[in-house]
Amino acid sequence: KAGVTQTPRYLIKTRGQQVTLSCSPISGHRSVSWYQQTPGQGLQFLFEYFSETQRNKGNFPGRFSGRQFSNSRSEMNVSTLELGDSALYLCASSLGVNTGELFFGEGSRLTVL
Amino acid sequence: GQNIDQPTEMTATEGAIVQINCTYQTSGFNGLFWYQQHAGEAPTFLSYNVLDGLEEKGRFSSFLSRSKGYSYLLLKELQMKDSASYLCAVRSYNAGNNRKLIWGLGTSLAVNP
Repeated sequence: KAGVTQTPRYLIKTRGQQVTLSCSPISGHRSVSWYQQTPGQGLQFLFEYFSETQRNKGNFPGRFSGRQFSNSRSEMNVSTLELGDSALYLCASSLGVNTGELFFGEGSRLTVL
Repeated sequence: GQNIDQPTEMTATEGAIVQINCTYQTSGFNGLFWYQQHAGEAPTFLSYNVLDGLEEKGRFSSFLSRSKGYSYLLLKELQMKDSASYLCAVRSYNAGNNRKLIWGLGTSLAVNP
């Protein structure tokens, strides 16, 4: 079956702009988590959605937001981009909230200039 | 605070055995995961430990000691394709008593011929 799909794979934005990233989970998976990955900070948890509801949230400012649709697809949005937002954004899906194995997408690499 | 420590880099020879250690200090414990991430690719699940002891899966084994806050990933019969970053993650609890994954920065393993 198809894996986790993230779009776009690469994008370049300038400071102050906003960006929307999309994630389609594995068919049948209802939980979607988002992570920011940078060399210095590693994987940082952003938020987790299950059945269109945010179930868990990391320690990121309100500029980072997300949502999940009825088909389990998820989007995350970052507004008023800062240079420090440059990172690989990874989406992971799982069958349910806090189940063992996460299946990751290939990520969206964001560069903020 | 919550903290996960693992070595930054390791080097080993093809055919050899390597042990990657992970120590953690978290508020609550609900399982430890190991993921493998090749450069430019998504992390992929390797193992999950929730009880003390050794879990073996082919060439890879993972050990957990909850009393010591310690785990290791053992890779046997190393192959060149094992060159990757190995991520240790602990499922812990945040301030709202919600479970979430805390990630180490990863151990970059280089396998030399």
